[in-house]
Amino acid sequence: GAVVSQHPSRVICKSGTSVKIECRSLDFQATTMFWYRQFPKKSLMLMATSNEGSKATYEQGVEKDKFLINHASLTLSTLTVTSAHPEDSSFYICSARDRKNTIYFGEGSWLTVV
Amino acid sequence: GQNIDQPTEMTATEGAIVQINCTYQTSGFNGLFWYQQHAGEAPTFLSYNVLDGLEEKGRFSSFLSRSKGYSYLLLKELQMKDSASYLCAVMDSNYQLIWGAGTKLIIKP
Repeated sequence: GAVVSQHPSRVICKSGTSVKIECRSLDFQATTMFWYRQFPKKSLMLMATSNEGSKATYEQGVEKDKFLINHASLTLSTLTVTSAHPEDSSFYICSARDRKNTIYFGEGSWLTVV
Repeated sequence: GQNIDQPTEMTATEGAIVQINCTYQTSGFNGLFWYQQHAGEAPTFLSYNVLDGLEEKGRFSSFLSRSKGYSYLLLKELQMKDSASYLCAVMDSNYQLIWGAGTKLIIKP
């Protein structure tokens, strides 16, 4: 079945640095990818919607300059957390939508900012 | 506004059957999804319903009634590994997912 691969699964970075998370659809073309953040004991929060070849659409309250999203191809989207701070530590998840409108999720990436 | 309602927590016995309900009110409807999420992991896809009726996949079944804004996930022959959170999500008219808060399912021996 369809697989969405997210990398890295865990990353630790120093405060003030930037970190990039990749989301790849391995066996299908994803015109749309979504980036979520998981808050403890809450459901996933949609951060932005990424469409191939165009700028991402950010949800209200999500800082565009802090969370840079690039959807360079039909199989790859990246989320870059710039100038990371400890409060950015979280579980980030991507998902990709296939041509049948089914959503598949990546494995998730744990970010710890120290 | 848009909202998805599902019970916060349910408890069931190993080998038994459990039904997790989900009601929704959204702007448009392009399908309802059920996901399973184990602690610390990303949700994994279980089912997708866009037409009314029951979809069966092994031990798991999902039902949808669009006129009632209602769905349920039925789990049979419960196993300890089924202990997880079960998330109901509706795809709205903009093809974005509206998520429920999830139902934590506790399986007891």
